Amino acid sequence: NAGVTQTPKFRVLKTGQSMTLLCAQDMNHEYMYWYRQDPGMGLRLIHYSVGEGTTAKGEVPDGYNVSRLKKQNFLLGLESAAPSQTSVYFCASSDGLAGTQYFGPGTRLLVL
Amino acid sequence: AQSVTQLDSQVPVFEEAPVELRCNYSSSVSVYLFWYVQYPNQGLQLLLKYLSGSTLVKGINGFEAEFNKSQTSFHLRKPSVHISDTAEYFCAVILPRGGEYGNKLVFGAGTILRVKS
Repeated sequence: NAGVTQTPKFRVLKTGQSMTLLCAQDMNHEYMYWYRQDPGMGLRLIHYSVGEGTTAKGEVPDGYNVSRLKKQNFLLGLESAAPSQTSVYFCASSDGLAGTQYFGPGTRLLVL
Repeated sequence: AQSVTQLDSQVPVFEEAPVELRCNYSSSVSVYLFWYVQYPNQGLQLLLKYLSGSTLVKGINGFEAEFNKSQTSFHLRKPSVHISDTAEYFCAVILPRGGEYGNKLVFGAGTILRVKS
């Protein structure tokens, strides 16, 4: 049981480049989330999904898109990266609203 | 919208001493409350949560927290800390009845616990 995995672990981008972060969970959870973590700001929700084929905006969605084509995968896309998107990105999943959220190990993204 | 305030950004403490990490939230309606821990270079993991019932909640690794509705607080405590408790701790809230940020976790800024020998 791998839990929540994230790919890649680390990436450096130039301003304007695009990339996709992949999150996979093997716990059959309905809910999946993408957060970004910045020093002194805790974690902020970017987008989330309450089931396959559904996505919704969180607190800081601008500059990001997501897709949930399969229940076990949740993709986060940056179409045109900006230095302000330098951050650590965490994916999480849960089996319900009050359920424990299980986090992946994170992806460190540096945008130059 | 609800918000979560962690009153201390860093808490230094000696090994085997007690510790309290403070968390206050702003909401006029019922909330679910959580504490997560993040060890260096890792993701977050759940320490404990309060959904309803007893206001004293026990979690993993000897931690406990007390929900105080009148003071809108959910402080985390441990009677005797270990070096291995050095980590960042996050308080989080879910507003279960909808609204702009309903049904989603809102995190505090985090408190770094540094345990010294």
